Parts: sequence; C-alpha cells; structure tokens
Amino acid sequence: GAGVSQSPSNKVTEKGKDVELRCDPISGHTALYWYRQSLGQGLEFLIYFQGNSAPDKSGLPSDRFSAERTGGSVSTLTIQRTQQEDSAVYLCASSPRQGRGNTIYFGEGSWLTVV
Amino acid sequence: KQEVTQIPAALSVPEGENLVLNCSFTDSAIYNLQWFRQDPGKGLTSLLLIQSSQREQTSGRLNASLDKSSGRSTLYIAASQPGDSATYLCAVRNAGNMLTFGGGTRLMVKP
Repeated sequence: GAGVSQSPSNKVTEKGKDVELRCDPISGHTALYWYRQSLGQGLEFLIYFQGNSAPDKSGLPSDRFSAERTGGSVSTLTIQRTQQEDSAVYLCASSPRQGRGNTIYFGEGSWLTVV
Repeated sequence: KQEVTQIPAALSVPEGENLVLNCSFTDSAIYNLQWFRQDPGKGLTSLLLIQSSQREQTSGRLNASLDKSSGRSTLYIAASQPGDSATYLCAVRNAGNMLTFGGGTRLMVKP
C-alpha cells in the first residue's frame, strides 16, 4: 500500500475484554515497530520486528500484551483483559530494512478507549 | 539508556517569525536522528532525517542540524505559518534499531 495502514482506527471496549490491533506496513518494509502514546504523553516503545522475529520485546508493559507478525508483513498487537490504563493511541511504523539510515514511516494509529 | 529531551515543551509565536526547536540526547552513539510532525488526532509525519555523519538537512522552510558530540539537534522553521501549528517530535536511533522519542514541542503559530 501507499502508507502504513492500521485498523481499527477507533475502538471502544469494556474493561476485561481482549482487543486486537492490526498493522499493515508499507509493502517491502522488513522492520516494523509498535509504539503507544497516552493522552498528552510521549511515545512509549512496545516492540520491534525484523521480518517475523521480534529481537526486542522489552517495551511490552505486561504479559497481557503480545504481538506477532506473519509472512514478514501484517502484524497484530493483542491486549488481553484490557484495563483502563491501556487507553491510548497505538502507533505502528515500518522502515525498509534494518539499515541505519532508513526513514521510519508511521500509520495514523489505533485509538483505544477502555471503559 | 538513551534519554531524549525537547525544549521548550510549548511555544506560541506570531505568524512570520523564524523559530528554533531544540532536542538533546544523552548517548551520542546514534545512527541517525529524525524530526516528526504530529497533528492532533493523527499519526506522525516524517519531516527530516539526519544521518550521524551529517551536520544538517534542509527541506523547504525547515532546516535541521545535528551536533552529535554535544548531543544536540535543532529544527529551524523559517517564516512560520499557522499551518505549521502541530507537535514536533525528535527521535534518535541507536543500536538495536530502536527509536527513542523526546516529549515533543507543541507549536502554535498565530495569524
């Protein structure tokens, strides 16, 4: 596609439910990132994929959070048993390959509200 | 651990002014530094990417400089316009391919 695509763009869920957020990176981009941005806060790193593997999962805030990537393309971020503090915008980004000089491109984000 | 700081946190200027946004980072062993723009309710748009070996990059009215040894970057916006109003974020890339972001500068340009 032309850019990084994320879905859903908005999601309201009840506390305790599971949610899945999807990211379609730019075609051919092998590196994929998930970040979280709470209201009025900076960007918090969650996880990074190179191809289908995740060399850095250090940012996942708890074991309720997991992510996978299949076929070196689409990635899914899953939050189990959602809590109100999970409310944030979840941003996905991709870049062409694991080169040092590559620009990173962001999607529009998935806005999650846990009520 | 890399830490990125942006000053000021918020800035309001009249239209037409030239302005400078500042970004500092604690670990100078970076691969590159990228400036982004974020409009309310939107994702991030890449503005400029400076490699660690470069001193500056220019795009239109924007000029970004990098002084790696002192851990600083500036984003210069010439002849500001109301459409420049947004949050500006800088991010540095270290080993491991991770981007570390600053907290951003919220810019308002008044007509």
